[in-house]
Amino acid sequence: KAGVTQTPRYLIKTRGQQVTLSCSPISGHRSVSWYQQTPGQGLQFLFEYFSETQRNKGNFPGRFSGRQFSNSRSEMNVSTLELGDSALYLCASSPDPGVAGNTIYFGEGSWLTVV
Amino acid sequence: QQQVKQSPQSLIVQKGGISIINCAYENTAFDYFPWYQQFPGKGPALLIAIRPDVSEKKEGRFTISFNKSAKQFSLHIMDSQPGDSATYFCAASKRAGGSYIPTFGRGTSLIVHP
Repeated sequence: KAGVTQTPRYLIKTRGQQVTLSCSPISGHRSVSWYQQTPGQGLQFLFEYFSETQRNKGNFPGRFSGRQFSNSRSEMNVSTLELGDSALYLCASSPDPGVAGNTIYFGEGSWLTVV
Repeated sequence: QQQVKQSPQSLIVQKGGISIINCAYENTAFDYFPWYQQFPGKGPALLIAIRPDVSEKKEGRFTISFNKSAKQFSLHIMDSQPGDSATYFCAASKRAGGSYIPTFGRGTSLIVHP
């Protein structure tokens, strides 16, 4: 099976712009979650989608949004970019998120630099 | 407020030595504790995990020790190898909105010298 695929891998944006990141989960996985990774804060949960519905949302401002399509592919959007949004954005998918032993599979991430 | 505290931030050990990474949590609603390993340029990958009804779990050279009363858990890497050099994240998960969502520690950068 192919792993979690994220595009683009690297991008540079200017403050005030908006960005859209894409994620293709592992085939058959209906849960997709997004994380922001920075050296200072580590891995922070953004949101989780299951069958096109947002089930959980982390403590991020409304500039961060996401959606999931009927084929389980997901996108996240950050509007009005700030310098502090520079980070590695990781997408993860899982087959059975309601089970404690469920394994979360991460993609390699999208590196966003805001200048 | 940091719900999962991880230490040390960085760790250097010699090949063949024991690497120990510690984590502590506050919320007793957490009931699943995975560890993730991340190599440069890659996403984190599940290494080993434990439920709170077990005090220890071993998989090869990797062992999790869990102390429920102290709300602490640790990862021990025996016979550490240069290939173990990576960043390690502990996590604590609880069910919310129908899904288990992990809260991560800030990570430990492990370097194993040959």
